[in-house]
Amino acid sequence: AQKVTQAQTEISVVEKEDVTLDCVYETRDTTYYLFWYKQPPSGELVFLIRRNSFDEQNEISGRYSWNFQKSTSSFNFTITASQVVDSAVYFCALSEANAGNMLTFGGGTRLMVKP
Amino acid sequence: NAGVTQTPKFRILKIGQSMTLQCTQDMNHNYMYWYRQDPGMGLKLIYYSVGAGITDKGEVPNGYNVSRSTTEDFPLRLELAAPSQTSVYFCASRLGTGELFFGEGSRLTVL
Repeated sequence: AQKVTQAQTEISVVEKEDVTLDCVYETRDTTYYLFWYKQPPSGELVFLIRRNSFDEQNEISGRYSWNFQKSTSSFNFTITASQVVDSAVYFCALSEANAGNMLTFGGGTRLMVKP
Repeated sequence: NAGVTQTPKFRILKIGQSMTLQCTQDMNHNYMYWYRQDPGMGLKLIYYSVGAGITDKGEVPNGYNVSRSTTEDFPLRLELAAPSQTSVYFCASRLGTGELFFGEGSRLTVL
């Protein structure tokens, strides 16, 4: 069965600090997909990134970066020079190719960036 | 291109009432999903569908039913509403293994 754990329920930082959100997953499949979504206070779910299990290359998009390590079953998300607008709940999710493509979400990490 | 559209956005039900949350997508996605999000919590899968005519239970299906008669529509039926079903409901769709596209959510309160 697939499982996603986000051990940090809440993180508080001061603007311009770097922050890393942890995501650990469990799966028996060799083919799977990992995602990060952002949920700002307005409530909608915003897609950030999708990564398949065969691509361990780290990715950078502006102030955002992702570190995928199969050896530790982790897919961590780092925000560099955080801004108040980054305040949101961030969800990591896993989709197994052999499980009807269901996405299983972690419990989320609430990030509060203070000015 | 509207994406995923959910209606209604807000609804208050009395205990024991029934209702249907509507979900429509115009992206010709084969997979559709219903999630619920309780206050301060993550998303839990209620039901999903891999294509028209095919549905399956997720993590928390009790008290709900779905149908998928067309590719576009995936309504969620609540029978005999209970306070425990007070939540925000999200419909989502995807094409194959791609990203999930979410609707704006439907906030349901059962009193």
